[in-house]
Order: sequence, then structure tokens, then C-alpha cells
Amino acid sequence: DIVMTQSPDSLAVSLGERATINCKSSQSVLFTSNNKNYLAWYQQKPGQPPKLFIYWASTRESGVPDRFSGSGSGTDFTLTISSLQAEDVAVYYCQQYFSTPPAFGQGTKVEVK
Amino acid sequence: QVQLVESGGGVVQPGRSLRLSCAASGFTFNTYAMHWVRRAPGKGLEWVAVISYDGKHNYYADSVKGRFTISRDNSKNTIYLQMNSLKPEDTAIYYCAKDYRPRDWDLLLDYWGQGTLVTVSS
Repeated sequence: DIVMTQSPDSLAVSLGERATINCKSSQSVLFTSNNKNYLAWYQQKPGQPPKLFIYWASTRESGVPDRFSGSGSGTDFTLTISSLQAEDVAVYYCQQYFSTPPAFGQGTKVEVK
Repeated sequence: QVQLVESGGGVVQPGRSLRLSCAASGFTFNTYAMHWVRRAPGKGLEWVAVISYDGKHNYYADSVKGRFTISRDNSKNTIYLQMNSLKPEDTAIYYCAKDYRPRDWDLLLDYWGQGTLVTVSS
């Protein structure tokens, strides 16, 4: 089974500053036949269900602000919030969907400093 | 718009059973695989199970294999999670979620319900 590890577990960033979350998979999630990374990011705010934010490692879901970007390939991935807004306070999870069972990282809590 | 509404949660004693339901609307239900995912208090998300669009195939997390059964009724646009031999560590909010790809499963979850809370305690 693929294990997903995020870092850090939490971070506090000033409004308008950059936030960076890292995600590492225990095996590559790059499918070479289509050159796609089977890596997604979800946002979960308190009392709400998770929301799909980014898939194929870097494709933003419809409606996601362009201050959010995903990057990386193979086993190492990053979610970047270029300018943190108050409404971005949430827990962010990476997830591999390369193989069963799908697996989530432990989550990264983003707060305002 | 896509709507997923879970029900059936509650407080149950260890060793007992519970059945969760998830009613879907706003999409062609019988062409998408569906999932259950849970979040225990203070913990992260844990994928639980998936069922194919036609109900013929399923897959479970090791933590629930042999105790939980996922099923669906395409005539009612509903999936179920039968949970037997419940343990305190099964305490969590249980979410149903829709798979991204029609006719197959991608294991990418594009819509989620609000969740239903299951508490296993004596």
C-alpha cells in the first residue's frame, strides 16, 4: 500500500503571505503511459466535508482561486497558497489515487499568524 | 447540482451493528462508483470502501475488511454501509463520496456528503 506523508502538520502564516505544504508518497504515483500524477489535494474547513481542490497534481477544480497551485511529480508534491486569505484557514489533505487502497496524508492545518 | 445525504449514524455499543445510507441526486447515479470515507475525532481522513457503478465490484480498507459491507441500490440512488462487530476505534464521521470517472473508478472523490456521526461506546 502507498503511504502519504505531509509536512508540516500545521503552519501559521500572516495574511497575504505564502503558505507551502509538502506531500510525499512512499511510491511513485506517476503513471508513465499517460504522464499523469495521480495526486489530489482537498480542503476541509471546520464542520464541513472535504472539498476537492486540485487533481492530477496541478489541475485546479472549477471555482478554486488561482492563488492555489499544485506542483511536483513522482513522489514529491507541493500545495502553495501564494497569498493567504482568511477564508483559506482549513486542513489540507493530499491523496494518492494511483492504486487501491487510495490513501490520504495526515493533513496540514493552516492558520493565520 | 450533485447532492449526497448520509443518514443512519448514532451511538452504538461495541460489538453491535449499524447501517448507514447515502442518498444521491443531481447526477446519473448508476454510472459512477461510490465511496465511504471516515474521519475519527482529532484524526485525518481514512478511506473505507468503494463500490463499482454496477455493484459488482468492491474494495475495502484492511481496518474494516470482514466487518463492513458496502452495497448499492441503483433503483433508489442509494448506497449503504453495513457495519458489524463495531469497535470504539470505528467512532468517526462517515462521509459518502462520488468517484470522478464514469463507468470505472478513479479513486478521485469529486463530491462529498455532509457526513453522519457514528459513536461506538458502552
